[in-house]
Amino acid sequence: EIVLTQSPGTLSLSPGERATLSCRASQSVDSRYLAWYQQKPGQAPRLLIYGASSRATGVPDRFSGSGSGTDFALTISRLEPEDFAVYYCQQSGGSPKTFGQGTKLEVK
Amino acid sequence: EVQLVESGGGLVQPGGSLRLSCAASGFTFNNYGMSWVRQAPGKGLEWVSTINYSGEGRSYADAVKGRFSISRDDSKNTLNLQMSSLRADDTAIYYCAKTLLPRDSGSCNDYWGQGTLVTVSA
Repeated sequence: EIVLTQSPGTLSLSPGERATLSCRASQSVDSRYLAWYQQKPGQAPRLLIYGASSRATGVPDRFSGSGSGTDFALTISRLEPEDFAVYYCQQSGGSPKTFGQGTKLEVK
Repeated sequence: EVQLVESGGGLVQPGGSLRLSCAASGFTFNNYGMSWVRQAPGKGLEWVSTINYSGEGRSYADAVKGRFSISRDDSKNTLNLQMSSLRADDTAIYYCAKTLLPRDSGSCNDYWGQGTLVTVSA
């Protein structure tokens, strides 16, 4: 099983700042199958990034994904008020498909 | 517009059974793999099961293997999850989700339903 470890667990930043979220895998992940999701309270997850670096439909270009192998990152260039949420990475190429434990992005 | 609507959740006693359904619309259902993902109260996301576009490929998380069974009815555009021998730690919101790419059950999930709550308690 591929274990995904996200860091930090909680990130406290202010609107306008840059956020960098990390996702580290216990073994190499096929980049085609590395995704990032955003989840707000009471809502279903929303796909942000697929294939490690491709933005999903309708996702603002302040969101970007990068990385390969075992180290991946989600960057939000300038935080907007609606970006404060929980973010999950997921690898879906192997079985079981696994999620990271999440990073909570909160207002400082 | 893609829509996924789950149903069938509720309160069930430990050891009981429940069948979840997900009604899909707005896309060619039989071209896409489908998944169930759950989220226990206050916890993170946990993948449960995936079925490929043809229905011939199914995979399960170890935590549910042998107790849950995923299926699809392409004539009704419906995804199902039959759950048996339910335990307290199965309590969660269960989401159905569509794969991003056609005929690639390894791809991530681009559309999610709003979820249905399953509570396992005496």
